[in-house]
Amino acid sequence: AQSVAQPEDQVNVAEGNPLTVKCTYSVSGNPYLFWYVQYPNRGLQFLLKYITGDNLVKGSYGFEAEFNKSQTSFHLKKPSALVSDSALYFCAVRTYSSASKIIFGSGTRLSIRP
Amino acid sequence: AAGVIQSPRHLIKEKRETATLKCYPIPRHDTVYWYQQGPGQDPQFLISFYEKMQSDKGSIPDRFSAQQFSDYHSELNMSSLELGDSALYFCASSRSRDPSYEQYFGPGTRLTVT
Repeated sequence: AQSVAQPEDQVNVAEGNPLTVKCTYSVSGNPYLFWYVQYPNRGLQFLLKYITGDNLVKGSYGFEAEFNKSQTSFHLKKPSALVSDSALYFCAVRTYSSASKIIFGSGTRLSIRP
Repeated sequence: AAGVIQSPRHLIKEKRETATLKCYPIPRHDTVYWYQQGPGQDPQFLISFYEKMQSDKGSIPDRFSAQQFSDYHSELNMSSLELGDSALYFCASSRSRDPSYEQYFGPGTRLTVT
């Protein structure tokens, strides 16, 4: 069965420090990996994705993520956190066998303190 | 840029009533997805449409039905509402049903069943 794990319910970081939000996945076949961010009472916003090629992908708002096939991970990173980055972050995976279905992780609440 | 539009944004219904949620995808997006997000949970895939035909089905109750119309907008019809149906319902659209394409989410409809 396909699954996505976000081991941390909450991540707390001081503004200006680097941040990492962890994600690991388990799929059969090649994964397509995504990060989405959700602000309170809002829909999910697409941040970035990994399809193939360079393991480091860059996305919106200065975020990047590194695909590691051997560790089946796709951690989200940002060199310098902003208070406005505080939100709920979801890692997600799709494969050709899963067709339309996106498998979401349980979400990680990122809190950036001034 | 145009985004996914959902209406209504908020809906309050009583048990056993019916509800209809509407979704207008981004122009030229041919695939529409519906998700249900319970409080504190990750979004769960309900159903998807490609070129006005149902393409995939997830954990959608038999009491729910959906369709996509000739103008590509979609409607989720929910009957015999139960308290447990209270949730945030998202519609998303993408340029292709290919799983490598990201989905763009609407702001959601918050359904409260009393």
